[in-house]
Amino acid sequence: QKEVEQDPGPLSVPEGAIVSLNCTYSNSAFQYFMWYRQYSRKGPELLMYTYSSGNKEDGRFTAQVDKSSKYISLFIRDSQPSDSATYLCAATSGTYKYIFGTGTRLKVLA
Amino acid sequence: DTEVTQTPKHLVMGMTNKKSLKCEQHMGHRAMYWYKQKAKKPPELMFVYSYEKLSINESVPSRFSPECPNSSLLNLHLHALQPEDSALYLCASSQADMGLSNSPLHFGNGTRLTVT
Repeated sequence: QKEVEQDPGPLSVPEGAIVSLNCTYSNSAFQYFMWYRQYSRKGPELLMYTYSSGNKEDGRFTAQVDKSSKYISLFIRDSQPSDSATYLCAATSGTYKYIFGTGTRLKVLA
Repeated sequence: DTEVTQTPKHLVMGMTNKKSLKCEQHMGHRAMYWYKQKAKKPPELMFVYSYEKLSINESVPSRFSPECPNSSLLNLHLHALQPEDSALYLCASSQADMGLSNSPLHFGNGTRLTVT
């Protein structure tokens, strides 16, 4: 079993839809959780960073962490074609090893 | 623009060449990383430097040789690579404190390497 599992998609949604991206993890020691957006031929761009359980909102993006169920989510409101990218979740226990999900490819259709 | 700068953006090299990838960050981060990313795969950790000392080597072949000249710079020296080493090489940095990194990784845009 991988330490972080993520549905690879692809996920296609119409413009303006609410997008829900999810990951599950197995390591109870994970305390720090991240979401990255990666466009083709670019490096991953940090979108959200959360510590422990709870919600965090930044503009159209909301990150949720539920440590009891080992579930992390990213919600994108009012999705735009420019949101089309691969979204990577990542987790770490505070060591230098960050464990990434496989990434979900998202396509927002105009 | 990212706060982690990588050069060159693209590199084509033969299997007998020696080349270097460079990375620079000015965020005051004391941990720096090299990752390798193949198409449609997540980044794969290669090396970690913490306070300019090599902390992690993920059993990377010796044809890849990292170097951290100072807290802002990270190099990856390449020699006798194989075609299967063609990939996007990403540099990242994070804050570090007493051997721990409780901050997110900040990535550069990578060097796209092709080995012929």
